Amino acid sequence: NAGVMQNPRHLVRRRGQEARLRCSPMKGHSHVYWYRQLPEEGLKFMVYLQKENIIDESGMPKERFSAEFPKEGPSILRIQQVVRGDSAAYFCASSLKGLNTEAFFGQGTRLTVV
Amino acid sequence: DQQVKQNSPSLSVQEGRISILNCDYTNSMFDYFLWYKKYPAEGPTFLISISSIKDKNEDGRFTVFLNKSAKHLSLHIVPSQPGDSAVYFCAASAAPIQGAQKLVFGQGTRLTINP
Repeated sequence: NAGVMQNPRHLVRRRGQEARLRCSPMKGHSHVYWYRQLPEEGLKFMVYLQKENIIDESGMPKERFSAEFPKEGPSILRIQQVVRGDSAAYFCASSLKGLNTEAFFGQGTRLTVV
Repeated sequence: DQQVKQNSPSLSVQEGRISILNCDYTNSMFDYFLWYKKYPAEGPTFLISISSIKDKNEDGRFTVFLNKSAKHLSLHIVPSQPGDSAVYFCAASAAPIQGAQKLVFGQGTRLTINP
């Protein structure tokens, strides 16, 4: 039973390009959470999705960021027109019951904007 | 507004001694607290948790203490081992009126265990 899989592990984008981060939850998990960790800071909640639905996106920047979790396939965090300040580690977590406290984290995607 | 604070960015402890990591919070609505351990280039892994109805939870070498009146919790590791060297994050959650529970993380404390 594989854990939460994120890809790519490392992503380099030039300013203005789009970044797509993928997250495959643990088998049987239908709840996905995205967190962002800026350098020297803790993880900050971005968005919570359940299959095909965004439940809570209160931590998402209002512009350029979007997330989806389709019926089939991984969850995608999309960042359009990236800027240097988007450089961070992005972690995905999944859970079985929709309780954030029982979530398992992936290894993260480190995004570097040059 | 940092609702969960870990004021020590780093801590160095001798192998075999006790490691004590501290965490303070400001939101009195938090009712569940967790500690995560994180190695470089990996995601956080759950270590131990405590509900606000308790003041202590123990799991092997790890014990978490909660002082609700002081809004303070601590993680004790005894005896400390070299493999415990990692960044430790304190996190808290509160059952919202509507919507999902969110984990609010502290900034982390880098623990180094010296042989």
